[in-house]
Amino acid sequence: DSGVTQTPKHLITATGQRVTLRCSPRSGDLSVYWYQQSLDQGLQFLIQYYNGEERAKGNILERFSAQQFPDLHSELNLSSLELGDSALYFCASSPDYWDPEQYFGPGTRLTVT
Amino acid sequence: AQSVTQPDIHITVSEGASLELRCNYSYGATPYLFWYVQSPGQGLQLLLKYFSGDTLVQGIKGFEAEFKRSQSSFNLRKPSVHWSDAAEYFCAAGVMEYGNKLVFGAGTILRVKS
Repeated sequence: DSGVTQTPKHLITATGQRVTLRCSPRSGDLSVYWYQQSLDQGLQFLIQYYNGEERAKGNILERFSAQQFPDLHSELNLSSLELGDSALYFCASSPDYWDPEQYFGPGTRLTVT
Repeated sequence: AQSVTQPDIHITVSEGASLELRCNYSYGATPYLFWYVQSPGQGLQLLLKYFSGDTLVQGIKGFEAEFKRSQSSFNLRKPSVHWSDAAEYFCAAGVMEYGNKLVFGAGTILRVKS
């Protein structure tokens, strides 16, 4: 158990809908990362937040957005969902902005039908 | 562009045999390097990491990896594989620039035959 929690574990929704994935980092960790794992793209970095501020962006679609709240939990919002958005979404956390080691949560499996 | 390559998609080894999973990276500078393992339906567990210093690093579950700068490689090894090692293994790399994102290889699925 890494100490990173993600909810929900599974999510099934229809195309065109919007969902919110939630992540609670390890106690004391200030940095949160989101990754997407899909069959065709593999594991890809989406976005990083540090202490409430966006710090790095990867291959994140404009339909996706994220935020980190004052209590340091983070949410990833996915809208106008398409079949291709079906994937496993991981959250990871690290103690600080420059810590290279990231601790991964169990993931949220999103299925878009 | 930064990239991590795992040339083997699948590897099958017999229980008790040795294992080596290959990983090559392409970065402007030496990145931080990691190996993660993912069991079916599970998250990513960190096996070991290399930041600097000793090029042979020890990890959990009896795994080790060797960093070779001249070959831009970070191969994972285990002297004797157990059936419980069957999983997917990911090599990842990162540099401290504009954030701290990790770039992952495509993964290697390890099958263990008894």
